[in-house]
Amino acid sequence: LAKTTQPISMDSYEGQEVNITCSHNNIATNDYITWYQQFPSQGPRFIIQGYKTKVTNEVASLFIPADRKSSTLSLPRVSLSDTAVYYCLVGGPNSGYSTLTFGKGTMLLVSP
Amino acid sequence: EAGVTQFPSHSVIEKGQTVTLRCDPISGHDNLYWYRRVMGKEIKFLLHFVKESKQDESGMPNNRFLAERTGGTYSTLKVQPAELEDSGVYFCASSPGTSRSDTQYFGPGTRLTVL
Repeated sequence: LAKTTQPISMDSYEGQEVNITCSHNNIATNDYITWYQQFPSQGPRFIIQGYKTKVTNEVASLFIPADRKSSTLSLPRVSLSDTAVYYCLVGGPNSGYSTLTFGKGTMLLVSP
Repeated sequence: EAGVTQFPSHSVIEKGQTVTLRCDPISGHDNLYWYRRVMGKEIKFLLHFVKESKQDESGMPNNRFLAERTGGTYSTLKVQPAELEDSGVYFCASSPGTSRSDTQYFGPGTRLTVL
């Protein structure tokens, strides 16, 4: 299974752009990269997913270089409510289905 | 559209007792997953159903854990007998398809405390 490495924590202020980079050197050819957000006492919430290049939705952007060994989640103009743990996951290849392997995640703290 | 729901939200039991957790996936989702986070650890995969069949149960810790999904709708996860190390948060997720790009939607979790 592809292992991911992320910063343990990051701090930011309201209104700033936050970029969280994740390393996944052993990503397999068929694997997708998915980011989840988790608030305390809640389940992980899907943010964005991509395979290569750039993906953008109403919440975030995901940048994936050509070698796919890393990815960067970009959150534009964060607010206090973006304080959460962010997980970078790579699709597990075991059965062909998307068994998720969670790492420790990045704790993002947004301050006023 | 209703999301994934789990019941109960919290459960406190004594060691040796039995507890049954329930998960109702998003309607129409064939795939149902169980995960758990024990204290201080990462979220770990337990098992995966496709409809009523167990597709992958490689993450189940031992035979004290029994998961079922009769009829391919809701699922239950029974712990019998519960041990102290079973304490943690149990998450359920569901997804509609079967590809690696399939998005999993998580429920709020059930916090289990074994005393």
